[in-house]
Amino acid sequence: NAGVMQNPRHLVRRRGQEARLRCSPMKGHSHVYWYRQLPEEGLKFMVYLQKENIIDESGMPKERFSAEFPKEGPSILRIQQVVRGDSAAYFCASSPRQNEKLFFGSGTQLSVL
Amino acid sequence: SQQGEEDPQALSIQEGENATMNCSYKTSINNLQWYRQNSGRGLVHLILIRSNEREKHSGRLRVTLDTSKKSSSLLITASRAADTASYFCATDAMEYGNKLVFGAGTILRVKS
Repeated sequence: NAGVMQNPRHLVRRRGQEARLRCSPMKGHSHVYWYRQLPEEGLKFMVYLQKENIIDESGMPKERFSAEFPKEGPSILRIQQVVRGDSAAYFCASSPRQNEKLFFGSGTQLSVL
Repeated sequence: SQQGEEDPQALSIQEGENATMNCSYKTSINNLQWYRQNSGRGLVHLILIRSNEREKHSGRLRVTLDTSKKSSSLLITASRAADTASYFCATDAMEYGNKLVFGAGTILRVKS
């Protein structure tokens, strides 16, 4: 059973471009979470999704950020018109039950030039 | 300040010694979890303790929970150099809705 897969591992974008981060949860997991981490800091919650539904997006900026978890395929975190402040590590996690034992991917390090 | 706050921020010990990290939180919780993160990697789940539990063990790890003090501690016994990592507590609380809230973490360095 493969773990949570995130890609790309590293993503470089220029200001104004779009960033698409992908996350394939563990097999059988229907709960997906996205977190953001700045250097030397903890994880900041962004969004929690279940298949085809956004359950809680309270940690995600209202503008430029969106997330989806379609019936088929990976969960996508999309950042439009990136700015330097978006540079961070973005982690995806999945779980078989809400808020219990999250399994994390290796993260996507986004660098905005 | 955050729901979960770890203490100390950083801890440096010799191999073989015990390491204790603490986590304090503000609201009633459903469960509290501890995770480890090695540099540049994703987090790895260590232990989940429910609000009606007081202590749990897993190998060299021991977690306690005191709901009256709204605090938890993670004890790593007989530490090894490989235990060097950041350790985070995370709380599942009704007040915070559907999200698992992480603290800022304790950086543990085990010197060999």
